[in-house]
Amino acid sequence: GNSVTQMEGPVTLSEEAFLTINCTYTATGYPSLFWYVQYPGEGLQLLLKATKADDKGSNKGFEATYRKETTSFHLEKGSVQVSDSAVYFCALSNGGAGNTGKLIFGQGTTLQVKP
Amino acid sequence: NAGVTQTPKFQVLKTGQSMTLQCAQDMNHEYMSWYRQDPGMGLRLIHYSVGAGITDQGEVPNGYNVSRSTTEDFPLRLLSAAPSQTSVYFCASSSQGHTNVLTFGAGSRLTVL
Repeated sequence: GNSVTQMEGPVTLSEEAFLTINCTYTATGYPSLFWYVQYPGEGLQLLLKATKADDKGSNKGFEATYRKETTSFHLEKGSVQVSDSAVYFCALSNGGAGNTGKLIFGQGTTLQVKP
Repeated sequence: NAGVTQTPKFQVLKTGQSMTLQCAQDMNHEYMSWYRQDPGMGLRLIHYSVGAGITDQGEVPNGYNVSRSTTEDFPLRLLSAAPSQTSVYFCASSSQGHTNVLTFGAGSRLTVL
């Protein structure tokens, strides 16, 4: 079945460090891929998405490229801030009428950025 | 514009008790869903709905019921709570034009003793 695997956390970085959070997926067909972020005490919110191979999603300095050959969608940011401390979820949707509005999430990776 | 509103934020139940988690959205979204979040397991889909009067099961539906009598509301019912249902529950909605861009509520933390 479809699944998403994220790197284990927590990830602890100093401010201005480079961030990579790995995400790989297993899916049939051509899924759409997402990164959602959950700040403390809040619900998840969409960070970025990519809908086809080689697409790059970007938002707030974060980027992720849809790599079909390696079934990956790694999240990167060149210089993290304390305000980026949150839990990051990779997710996929296989599209199609039967999968409308249904996402499969990875287990989440906690990022802590220290000043 | 409130978005997705969940109540209550916190609830403690005893095993065997029943309760309803409320979810309301004011964005006229067609699609609504319930997820549970457990440590190390991410979010798992419980039930979802593509419109008023239409619901379907997700990955972990056992022990939960839903109904969708209006576009705005999508309550989740626990019929006989069990300790395994201790979790954080999130309601989400999305529109027909952006079906996989979910707007989440702030969550409801449920503890079953």
